[in-house]
Amino acid sequence: GQNIDQPTEMTATEGAIVQINCTYQTSGFNGLFWYQQHAGEAPTFLSYNVLDGLEEKGRFSSFLSRSKGYSYLLLKELQMKDSASYLCAVVDSNYQLIWGAGTKLIIKP
Amino acid sequence: NAGVTQTPKFRILKIGQSMTLQCAQDMNHNYMYWYRQDPGMGLKLIYYSVGAGITDKGEVPNGYNVSRSTTEDFPLRLELAAPSQTSVYFCASSYRADTDTQYFGPGTRLTVL
Repeated sequence: GQNIDQPTEMTATEGAIVQINCTYQTSGFNGLFWYQQHAGEAPTFLSYNVLDGLEEKGRFSSFLSRSKGYSYLLLKELQMKDSASYLCAVVDSNYQLIWGAGTKLIIKP
Repeated sequence: NAGVTQTPKFRILKIGQSMTLQCAQDMNHNYMYWYRQDPGMGLKLIYYSVGAGITDKGEVPNGYNVSRSTTEDFPLRLELAAPSQTSVYFCASSYRADTDTQYFGPGTRLTVL
């Protein structure tokens, strides 16, 4: 079966750095997305990785290792507004998006 | 551009009732999707469409129906509502296939009692 694993919840301090991991086992791989979802709101796009390596976009970076079936989202200089759920989603061989359950990130002052 | 719009925002149904969740996009996207999101769970694909007149089942299609008569609109029909259909429903769209960013509507929170 297809499976995406993320930690259920993480806590970090304002101004710090946090890394949210995602491991996947899917039938084929055509890319990996990270989305941010604030409570009661719709998911919004953060990043897309299809090749191995690190993609940096301001305070957020996303890393992919296809051989290990592993990705992480790195958030720097955390702000209170970064409190949200972070969803990892993999595009499988049928070009269907398989979604993880999401990681709820709590930022403390 | 309004992006992806959904109506209603909230709805309470009684068991056995039917309703249609509306979704529209003004970005001229070919692909449209319906998801449901249960608490603590990932998004589950209900149905999707690759263009007007073409729809296909996703992971959890039972109890739902869709139609796509225009590029802009993709309504989701619930027949004979059941408590298991209590969820938040999101509509999304993208220009190309799933390697393209999906843009989500604000969601419909549905409770079936």
